[in-house]
Amino acid sequence: GAVVSQHPSWVICKSGTSVKIECRSLDFQATTMFWYRQFPKQSLMLMATSNEGSKATYEQGVEKDKFLINHASLTLSTLTVTSAHPEDSSFYICSALSSLRDRDTEAFFGQGTRLTVV
Amino acid sequence: QQPVQSPQAVILREGEDAVINCSSSKALYSVHWYRQKHGEAPVFLMILLKGGEQKGHDKISASFNEKKQQSSLYLTASQLSYSGTYFCGALINSGNTPLVFGKGTRLSVIA
Repeated sequence: GAVVSQHPSWVICKSGTSVKIECRSLDFQATTMFWYRQFPKQSLMLMATSNEGSKATYEQGVEKDKFLINHASLTLSTLTVTSAHPEDSSFYICSALSSLRDRDTEAFFGQGTRLTVV
Repeated sequence: QQPVQSPQAVILREGEDAVINCSSSKALYSVHWYRQKHGEAPVFLMILLKGGEQKGHDKISASFNEKKQQSSLYLTASQLSYSGTYFCGALINSGNTPLVFGKGTRLSVIA
């Protein structure tokens, strides 16, 4: 089946620094990828939709200047958390939709990145 | 719009059954069910596309009602490994729109 790879799995950074998270579709092309954030004991909340070759669209309340998204190719989207603060500590996860042969549209998830800002 | 999941949490003994419901105020294109263990990414369980559809594997099955506004996940003869948080994800159409997740149902299976 389709595979989405996310890197790194976890990162600890100092307050004020920036962190980049990569999301790759390994065996299919994804013109659109989605970035979610999950706080402890809560659901996955959509942050933004990443579109290959164009600007990302952000959900209400998500700062586009803080969470920079780049989708430069059909297999790679990156999320950069700029000037990270402790309140940005969370589980970030990417997803891409794929319609494999003879199967319905399905969402595939990366492994997730646990960000801790100290 | 976020689908509504119920119950929020449930505790089962091994071998007991459970039902988790997922409701939408509008008809959906498809419903996706995931299970997430603590600290891990969600794992895909199954997708339902057609109204009236029922499907499953092993002792986990799901249904999608005729109006495509409600789905239920059935866990029978639960095992310890079933513990986790179950999310339903709703797709409103077949285009490049994101899954919108319910708030999740925390399932704990005890010996």
